[in-house]
Amino acid sequence: EAGVTQFPSHSVIEKGQTVTLRCDPISGHDNLYWYRRVMGKEIKFLLHFVKESKQDESGMPNNRFLAERTGGTYSTLKVQPAELEDSGVYFCASSLAGPYEQYFGPGTRLTVT
Amino acid sequence: QKEVEQNSGPLSVPEGAIASLNCTYSDQGSQSFFWYRQYSGKSPELIMFIYSNGDKEDGRFTAQLNKASQYVSLLIRDSQPSDSATYLCAVNPGGFKTIFGAGTRLFVKA
Repeated sequence: EAGVTQFPSHSVIEKGQTVTLRCDPISGHDNLYWYRRVMGKEIKFLLHFVKESKQDESGMPNNRFLAERTGGTYSTLKVQPAELEDSGVYFCASSLAGPYEQYFGPGTRLTVT
Repeated sequence: QKEVEQNSGPLSVPEGAIASLNCTYSDQGSQSFFWYRQYSGKSPELIMFIYSNGDKEDGRFTAQLNKASQYVSLLIRDSQPSDSATYLCAVNPGGFKTIFGAGTRLFVKA
């Protein structure tokens, strides 16, 4: 069984540019989560999808961040325009039912210069 | 006050010893509690979760929960060098949101 995959693994962009991160959850997992870890800080919840519906986006920092989940399969997280403080590692996770057994992807390291 | 607090460590134990990792949380309504292991440069990996007061054992790992004290711990018996990693305590306050602590770094010396 393939795990959660994320693309790209690393992205370096300039302030003001746009970046789109992609997450492919484990097949059959209806629940998909996005998290972010800023250097030296704890992992922070960003949002949660059930299939294609956003259930909780209370952790999204501001309206420069837009998450979508097309057809309840893969998800994208777009940052537009990127700011320096957006740098960090963005993790995606998925679970079959409930928040209990979440499987994390390898993360995307975003560097904004 | 942070929502989930952990000693950052590092915690250093000799091989074969018991490693004890602790965590406190602020939301009394929290329902489920998780321990993740994260190797350097890798993604978090779930070790176990607990939602009832008391102990839950899985192999060399035992999670302990005391809701009255808002305290969660993880014991690792017979620690191995391969257990050296950062251990993340996480709490579910309800719904599907998970709140993580900053993690405790554990070093197991051979």
